[in-house]
Amino acid sequence: DTEVTQTPKHLVMGMTNKKSLKCEQHMGHRAMYWYKQKAKKPPELMFVYSYEKLSINESVPSRFSPECPNSSLLNLHLHALQPEDSALYLCASRRFFGGGAHRDTEAFFGQGTRLTVV
Amino acid sequence: KNEVEQSPQNLTAQEGEFITINCSYSVGISALHWLQQHPGGGIVSLFMLSSGKKKHGRLIATINIQEKHSSLHITASHPRDSAVYICAVMGADGLTFGKGTHLIIQP
Repeated sequence: DTEVTQTPKHLVMGMTNKKSLKCEQHMGHRAMYWYKQKAKKPPELMFVYSYEKLSINESVPSRFSPECPNSSLLNLHLHALQPEDSALYLCASRRFFGGGAHRDTEAFFGQGTRLTVV
Repeated sequence: KNEVEQSPQNLTAQEGEFITINCSYSVGISALHWLQQHPGGGIVSLFMLSSGKKKHGRLIATINIQEKHSSLHITASHPRDSAVYICAVMGADGLTFGKGTHLIIQP
C-alpha cells in the first residue's frame, strides 16, 4: 500500500463552522506534512510532524490546528476560517523527516481536499 | 533557502512531440522530485532522483547534481500528458517546489 488517503475530497464550510481534514497512510512513514495550494501556485508548507510530534509550524494562523494522534493519521482542524483560506490542502508523508542518512526518502502525496470557505 | 526555477512556465505542443521541461536550483541537494498535477487534482510523484537518469514508460528524468539541474522528458507525447509538472527539491525540512510547467498536448 503506497497510498496517502485524504478525506473529504471536497469541503464547503461557513466562516463560523468547525471542521476537520483527515490524512491517513499505512506505509509506516514517520514524517507527515500539510501543504496549502492556491490556484496556479506551488504548494506551501504549513506543518510537519515527525514521530507524531510537531516539528515545523510555518507561522500558520491559529485557526488551523494540526493533530497527529498516531503514526498513521494526521488531522487538520479548522475553525473560524476566512474566504481567503479557500485552497487545496495536500497531505504528504515520508519514511523519515530530515536530511542526513534519511535524505533520500521519497515523498508520497494525497489527492488533496478542495476547501471552499463561504 | 533553495530557489527552484522551472522552464518553460507554459508549453503547448502537438501530440507526438518530444517534450523537455527544465529545473534548476540554487543550493546543492541530494534528491529531487518530479511531480504531476492534473487540474483540480492531487499530486503524483513521477520520479525521485539522486543522480543520473530514470525512465518510466515514456517519461525520462535526468539530474546533474554538480550543475544543479534536472530535466524531465516526455517521448511521443499524448493529450493525457496535459498537466502541471512540478520540480521539487528535497531539503532537511521537506520539499521546496518550483512554480510548475503547465503542459498542454493538443491532438
